Amino acid sequence: AQTVTQSQPEMSVQEAETVTLSCTYDTSESDYYLFWYKQPPSRQMILVIRQEAYKQQNATENRFSVNFQKAAKSFSLKISDSQLGDAAMYFCAYRSAQGAQKLVFGQGTRLTINP
Amino acid sequence: ETGVTQTPRHLVMGMTNKKSLKCEQHLGHNAMYWYKQSAKKPLELMFVYSLEERVENNSVPSRFSPECPNSSHLFLHLHTLQPEDSALYLCASSHNGPLQSNEKLFFGSGTQLSVL
Repeated sequence: AQTVTQSQPEMSVQEAETVTLSCTYDTSESDYYLFWYKQPPSRQMILVIRQEAYKQQNATENRFSVNFQKAAKSFSLKISDSQLGDAAMYFCAYRSAQGAQKLVFGQGTRLTINP
Repeated sequence: ETGVTQTPRHLVMGMTNKKSLKCEQHLGHNAMYWYKQSAKKPLELMFVYSLEERVENNSVPSRFSPECPNSSHLFLHLHTLQPEDSALYLCASSHNGPLQSNEKLFFGSGTQLSVL
């Protein structure tokens, strides 16, 4: 069974600085998808960024980018120019590309932005 | 606002009560999901419905009973719950259903359930 591990329960960063959230996963599959979701205090989970495992190029969405290291099974999220609105829980998630597989989430990292 | 609405936002119930959680999506999606989010635990998938048919049931106790009367509405009926069932229950929807592995999920704001 696949597992997703986020080793940082909490992180903090100064406003306008850059922060990196870590995520590792365990799988024997070669084709899969990885996601970062954000859950602000409103509790609504929002997709931040998505990466296809067959793509070598790291995904980027404005200030958010990932460092996808397939051999190391690592999928970190970098947030540049942090803003107060980035404060939230961040969840890393894995999904197999085969069949109707469920989304497997990590435990989450609580990100605090210091003004 | 992601187009997925959950009610109630908060719910407190006793172990002998019967209550229902409601989810409604306004996105024209074909699949809907129930997730459980407990403190300090990863989100757990409970149920998946695709085109109003249940396609996944992850060994959830029978005291949780889902219902999907149409593609826009999803209910979770609760009865004789235990205190350990206290959690945030999140509903989500997706356009094409769980067979599309890169499918984006749209979540509601959840119902915070407390079982006394």
